[in-house]
Amino acid sequence: GENVEQHPSTLSVQEGDSAVIKCTYSDSASNYFPWYKQELGKGPQLIIDIRSNVGEKKDQRIAVTLNKTAKHFSLHITETQPEDSAVYFCAAPEAGGSYIPTFGRGTSLIVHP
Amino acid sequence: NAGVTQTPKFRILKIGQSMTLQCAQDMNHNYMYWYRQDPGMGLKLIYYSVGAGITDKGEVPNGYNVSRSTTEDFPLRLELAAPSQTSVYFCASSYGGGRGSETQYFGPGTRLLVL
Repeated sequence: GENVEQHPSTLSVQEGDSAVIKCTYSDSASNYFPWYKQELGKGPQLIIDIRSNVGEKKDQRIAVTLNKTAKHFSLHITETQPEDSAVYFCAAPEAGGSYIPTFGRGTSLIVHP
Repeated sequence: NAGVTQTPKFRILKIGQSMTLQCAQDMNHNYMYWYRQDPGMGLKLIYYSVGAGITDKGEVPNGYNVSRSTTEDFPLRLELAAPSQTSVYFCASSYGGGRGSETQYFGPGTRLLVL
C-alpha cells in the first residue's frame, strides 16, 4: 500500500512566522494530495488540495507545493495566527480506480501569540 | 445538510462487551470510511465501503465488522471489546473515487474507552 511520511511531528512558531509541513509518498502514480486540519475535539476538515498536473496552489495564507519527481508535497502557512494551532494531516491515495487514501501521522502546529 | 453524524460521542465499555458505533451522512455520498485515531499515530483505516452492499477491509480490520445496507448509514460493530480498541473513531464519506470527488468529510468522532 501507499506509504506516507509526514514531518515534523510538532512545529512551534511565533505568531506572524511561516510554517512548513512536508509529506513524502511512495506511489509515483498518486495524483491527488489533500491537506486536512483537525482542531481539538473535532474531525479533520479539508483546507487545501492539489492535483498532480500542477506544481503549486494558493488560497490566501495557505499554499501547497508538489514535487512529483521527488515525490513530496508541502503545506505552507504564512503570517500564522493563534487560530492556526491544530493538527494537520496530509494524505495520498493508492493508485487505481478507488480513492482510498493513506494519511500521514499528523503535525501538531502551535502558534504562540 | 447535517453532513456526517456519529453517535455516541463518548462511551465506556468493559472488556468483552460489544457495541455499535453509528455513522450517517446526508450528502448522497457513495464512499464511506471508518478510521481510528490513536495519539501520535494519525488515522488508520478500519473498513470502507464504495456503495450500498459493498464493504472492504482497511489496514486494521481485526476486531471490527461493518455493514452498508443503505447509502446513508455505515455502522461499525465491535465484538468482544479489548483495551487495544480504546481510541477515537472517525467516520468519513466522499462522493466517489473519481477526479473531483475525492474530498472526505469527517464526522465529529466517537471516543471509546475500554476498561
